[in-house]
Amino acid sequence: GAGVSQSPRYKVTKRGQDVALRCDPISGHVSLYWYRQALGQGPEFLTYFNYEAQQDKSGLPNDRFSAERPEGSISTLTIQRTEQRDSAMYRCASSFGPYNSPLHFGNGTRLTVT
Amino acid sequence: GQQLNQSPQSMFIQEGEDVSMNCTSSSIFNTWLWYKQDPGEGPVLLIALYKAGELTSNGRLTAQFGITRKDSFLNISASIPSDVGIYFCAGPETSGSRLTFGEGTQLTVNP
Repeated sequence: GAGVSQSPRYKVTKRGQDVALRCDPISGHVSLYWYRQALGQGPEFLTYFNYEAQQDKSGLPNDRFSAERPEGSISTLTIQRTEQRDSAMYRCASSFGPYNSPLHFGNGTRLTVT
Repeated sequence: GQQLNQSPQSMFIQEGEDVSMNCTSSSIFNTWLWYKQDPGEGPVLLIALYKAGELTSNGRLTAQFGITRKDSFLNISASIPSDVGIYFCAGPETSGSRLTFGEGTQLTVNP
């Protein structure tokens, strides 16, 4: 597609449920990033991939968070046993290459845990 | 990780005024990026700076990479209502390509 596509746009879930957030990057982009953005703050790095390889997952808050990109294109960010503090905007971005290539962000998934 | 401090946190200006905002770090950055985020959308790259002392323009926007590599400035001339949004500075962590973002400057332009 023309841009980075994320789904769902909004997700409301009950505490304790698992959620899966999907990102479809710009076609041909090698690198894919997941960020989390709280209201009034800048995006906070979670993890990133080059092709299908997860290069850095040091930003994932704890082991309830995981991400995969099995075929080097679409990626899924999974949060298990959600907690209220997980509520945030989750943004995906992709770039043509891994270094100094501009990031193109999607419109995000707004997650609300009740 | 590295932290980026942006100031001011918010600005309220009249249409036609010039705007200046900055970003500082306690660590050296080798690249400085400025993004703009419109309501309900993701950040969009405005300007990228790759060399200390570099001054780069993009229309009414001008950004500079500080000579110490620990700061950057973004100026907007003759502001218009569509300049409203949140402006973020960002830079790659030295250890890899993860980007660190500042907390943003919220700009409001009154017509």
